[in-house]
Amino acid sequence: QSALTQPASVSGSPGQSITISCTGTSSDVGDYNYVSWYQQHPGKAPKLMIYDVNNRPSGVSNRFSGSKSGNTASLTISGLQAEDEADYYCSSYTSNSTLEFGGGTKLTVL
Amino acid sequence: QLLLQESGPGLVKASETLSLTCTVSGGSISTSDYYWVWIRQPPGKGLEWIGTIYYTGSTYYNPSLKSRVTISVDTSKNQFSLKLSSVTAAETAVYSCARVVRGVIMGRPIHHQIDYWGQGTLVTVSS
Repeated sequence: QSALTQPASVSGSPGQSITISCTGTSSDVGDYNYVSWYQQHPGKAPKLMIYDVNNRPSGVSNRFSGSKSGNTASLTISGLQAEDEADYYCSSYTSNSTLEFGGGTKLTVL
Repeated sequence: QLLLQESGPGLVKASETLSLTCTVSGGSISTSDYYWVWIRQPPGKGLEWIGTIYYTGSTYYNPSLKSRVTISVDTSKNQFSLKLSSVTAAETAVYSCARVVRGVIMGRPIHHQIDYWGQGTLVTVSS
């Protein structure tokens, strides 16, 4: 069982928006703004999409955005495209100086 | 362009020690701006952080693995290594090395995001 809780799957049609949640505790997500989101296509290494809750690395589409409220962080993808279909993982720094990952969410573009 | 490359046996027997090395090229491992980490992913499952090392040799480990894990660094070779003892078949996974952005807040070092990943190497534990 992962330390951070994500829905196992989400789906949406092209052009729609979807949101993936990542729920932790006051010892990780709730206490630190060091939440990251990664996209992973089958057989590939994960790719950083969002860091420090709501920052996008250079080269990542502005269709990807992040936010946080209390112990829950969220990744929103707007204007869904076929290439967005992938697994998405959140991660957070913790009060024990460790890193945690969510269990991952499979995004299906219908 | 930074490159990380994992190397080591692809097959390990149960109860033995898994050993992997990550070679970093295109940048120095001896930098105050980054940590270096090991992460694993069993087939069809999620990511698990194994542990972190700083170029000075300071380490942080996943509490669930701490008693069996050793991560070390060789700055002269620009490499860091993983040893995981007493492995079981359930630890068959793709093992990846990666770079983590390091920060310091009120004197406390923290992990930010993972910005570079190796391609990963499948290690099968045979029972």
